[in-house]
Amino acid sequence: GAGVSQSPSNKVTEKGKDVELRCDPISGHTALYWYRQSLGQGLEFLIYFQGNSAPDKSGLPSDRFSAERTGGSVSTLTIQRTQQEDSAVYLCASSPQRIYGYTFGSGTRLTVV
Amino acid sequence: AQSVAQPEDQVNVAEGNPLTVKCTYSVSGNPYLFWYVQYPNRGLQFLLKYITGDNLVKGSYGFEAEFNKSQTSFHLKKPSALVSDSALYFCAVMGRRALTFGSGTRLQVQP
Repeated sequence: GAGVSQSPSNKVTEKGKDVELRCDPISGHTALYWYRQSLGQGLEFLIYFQGNSAPDKSGLPSDRFSAERTGGSVSTLTIQRTQQEDSAVYLCASSPQRIYGYTFGSGTRLTVV
Repeated sequence: AQSVAQPEDQVNVAEGNPLTVKCTYSVSGNPYLFWYVQYPNRGLQFLLKYITGDNLVKGSYGFEAEFNKSQTSFHLKKPSALVSDSALYFCAVMGRRALTFGSGTRLQVQP
């Protein structure tokens, strides 16, 4: 596609429920990143996929968070047993190479009530 | 580990005046530096980057940034601010695995 697509754009969930956030990167971009942006805060790195290599999960805040990338394309970020502190905007980005920087999606705003 | 500092939470400037948004960085090796802008309820949009070459980098919407190796700075500049430039600006440095972002600076341009 022309850009990075994320869905849903907004998600309201009850505390304790599981949620899945989807990211469809730009075709041909081998690198895919997930970041989290809490209200009024900067961007917190979560996870990084590069081609067929094992993902770098070092930024995931707890074992309730997981992500996968199927076929080197679409990625899903899953949050299990959501907590109120998980409320944030989750941003996905993709890149063809490090020196090009990233193209970001519009994000998914997650609200846990 | 790499890091980025944006010392100003907010910058206020009058329309038509020049603007500067400050950024300093820390990274081992040669830095790859980026500026992004975020408008309300939107993702981040790329403005410009420094990889190598001229220290003055020109980007989108009339913005430019000056790379200063001795001061480890990469300040964002624009000669004449517009009200529509009001947004949240992020500086970032490429690390071994991913971009590390600063905390952001909110730019408010007054008419």
